Amino acid sequence: AQTVTQSQPEMSVQEAETVTLSCTYDTSESDYYLFWYKQPPSRQMILVIRQEAYKQQNATENRFSVNFQKAAKSFSLKISDSQLGDAAMYFCAYRYSGGSNYKLTFGKGTLLTVNP
Amino acid sequence: DGGITQSPKYLFRKEGQNVTLSCEQNLNHDAMYWYRQDPGQGLRLIYYSQIVNDFQKGDIAEGYSVSREKKESFPLTVTSAQKNPTAFYLCASTAGYQPQHFGDGTRLSIL
Repeated sequence: AQTVTQSQPEMSVQEAETVTLSCTYDTSESDYYLFWYKQPPSRQMILVIRQEAYKQQNATENRFSVNFQKAAKSFSLKISDSQLGDAAMYFCAYRYSGGSNYKLTFGKGTLLTVNP
Repeated sequence: DGGITQSPKYLFRKEGQNVTLSCEQNLNHDAMYWYRQDPGQGLRLIYYSQIVNDFQKGDIAEGYSVSREKKESFPLTVTSAQKNPTAFYLCASTAGYQPQHFGDGTRLSIL
């Protein structure tokens, strides 16, 4: 079974600084997707970024980028120029790209605090 | 605007009572999911459905039941057999290889 591990229960960063959130996963599959979701205090789940395992290029969305190391099964999220609105719980998630159930496996989350 | 609507936002259950959480989507998605979120536990899959009139158990299905009579709707019933129902419940949907879209959630508490 696939597992996703987020080893940092909490992280903090100063406004305008850069922070990196860690995620490792375990799978025997070669084709899959990885995601980072953000959950602010409103509890809404918001997709931050997505990475296809077959792509060697790391995904980037504005201030958010990932460092995808397939051999190491590592998928970290870098937030540049941190803003107060980035404060949230961040979840790493895995989905096998085969089959048809599209199930997600989530890590336990990292609570990010942004200090002014 | 397309999206997922969960209701109610807050729900209280008495001992021995079944309660039903509503999830409706107008995204024309085939697949729908129910997750439970507890502090420090992340999201855990309760049930999922890939097509109408079909659904499968997730990782923590005991004490829950679902139905999928319409493509748009996937209600979750928390039965009296679920001894620790206090949690935040999230519904999601997807089509093909799109990321899952989530509703705003329902907070269930015990009276």
